[in-house]
Amino acid sequence: DIVMTQSPDSLAVSLGERATITCKSSQSVLNSSNNKNYLAWYQQKPGQPPKLLIYWASTRESGVPDRFRGSGSETDFTLTISSLQAEDVALYYCQQYYIPEWTFGQGTKVEIK
Amino acid sequence: QVQLVQSGAEVKKPGSSVTVSCKASGGTFSNYAVNWVRQAPGQGLEWMGGINPIFGTTNFAQRFQGRVTVTADESTSTAYMDLSSLRSEDTAVYYCAKSAFVCSVTSCQSFNWFDLWGQGTLVTVSS
Repeated sequence: DIVMTQSPDSLAVSLGERATITCKSSQSVLNSSNNKNYLAWYQQKPGQPPKLLIYWASTRESGVPDRFRGSGSETDFTLTISSLQAEDVALYYCQQYYIPEWTFGQGTKVEIK
Repeated sequence: QVQLVQSGAEVKKPGSSVTVSCKASGGTFSNYAVNWVRQAPGQGLEWMGGINPIFGTTNFAQRFQGRVTVTADESTSTAYMDLSSLRSEDTAVYYCAKSAFVCSVTSCQSFNWFDLWGQGTLVTVSS
């Protein structure tokens, strides 16, 4: 299985400041045949199901604010919230969909400082 | 707009089985793979398995092999997840989640990022 490791486990950021979450995979999730990274990001608020934010490592899902940005390739990925808003308080998960079993990171809790 | 509507909360005894359903409201499963993901209290997300109704194929996480069954009834646009030999560690919220289905000019393909989730079903295993 591909193991996904996020860091940090939690972070507190002031409103309007940048939040950065990293995700490392135990092996590359880059498919050389189409040059795409099989990596998604989700946001989960308390009592709610996860919501898709980003796929192909950097493509925002429709309706996701552009303050959310995904980047990275192969084994190292980043989710950046450029200007943290109150409604961004949540858990964030990365997920690889390159090799079954589909696996998630352990999650990163984002709070307001 | 398709929504995934899951069955209600369940309380089960250890050793018993549970069935959770997931109905596609406002659409069908015809083109979509459906997955099951669980989340134990205060824990992260764990993919359990899925079914692709287009091909009738299923795949499962190793640790659930032999204990989980996933089926889909296209006539009612409903997917089902059966988990047997329940133990206290199976207490969790169980989600169904739809795999993305992406079409280009020439073809369509399913990819296993999850673009639509059910509301979740709490399964409590307790004696």
